Amino acid sequence: DVKVTQSSRYLVKRTGEKVFLECVQDMDHENMFWYRQDPGLGLRLIYFSYDVKMKEKGDIPEGYSVSREKKERFSLILESASTNQTSMYLCASSSPRQGATVEQYFGPGTRLTVT
Amino acid sequence: AQSVTQPDIHITVSEGASLELRCNYSYGATPYLFWYVQSPGQGLQLLLKYFSGDTLVQGIKGFEAEFKRSQSSFNLRKPSVHWSDAAEYFCAVGAGAAGNKLTFGGGTRVLVKP
Repeated sequence: DVKVTQSSRYLVKRTGEKVFLECVQDMDHENMFWYRQDPGLGLRLIYFSYDVKMKEKGDIPEGYSVSREKKERFSLILESASTNQTSMYLCASSSPRQGATVEQYFGPGTRLTVT
Repeated sequence: AQSVTQPDIHITVSEGASLELRCNYSYGATPYLFWYVQSPGQGLQLLLKYFSGDTLVQGIKGFEAEFKRSQSSFNLRKPSVHWSDAAEYFCAVGAGAAGNKLTFGGGTRVLVKP
């Protein structure tokens, strides 16, 4: 069974703090993704990575950066947290070895509140 | 760019009744289409997916979805809802290699009345 874990379920940070959200997957997946989930907006892709040290911007990358130093770990970084980054953050992973259509496996999410 | 619309934000259904969730997409090529479910406090779980072949797709937990190209729709159905089906449901369209880059709809929250 694929397992995607996220370092915290709940996080409270102050405006201007640097915030790290960590995601680890245990299935040797090449692809990893960070989304934010807001009511009525569904999930929006922030960044994704197809390989170690590779990253690509998603639809809403502003105010975020990512790091992928090891295949199993993908970190989302908020350089200077702001209140409009209060949200639920979901990590996902997938592998092109799955075949024709690639399923993404999701972690439980981190609910971040910036005050 | 692709987009997904789920017109119903909330749906309330009685236990044992049928359920249909609507999804309309916009995408220039043949779409990869997915339905995910998110139970309270959980991550997303894939219910079913479609790329090609039979337009009626069977998924887990008794769900099915029908792809209608002429209507740009991929509606999700279940004949008889159980209380455990109360959750939020997301439709997504995939682009890129093997539909890997997903664009999600806003979600439909399903409440189940006893």
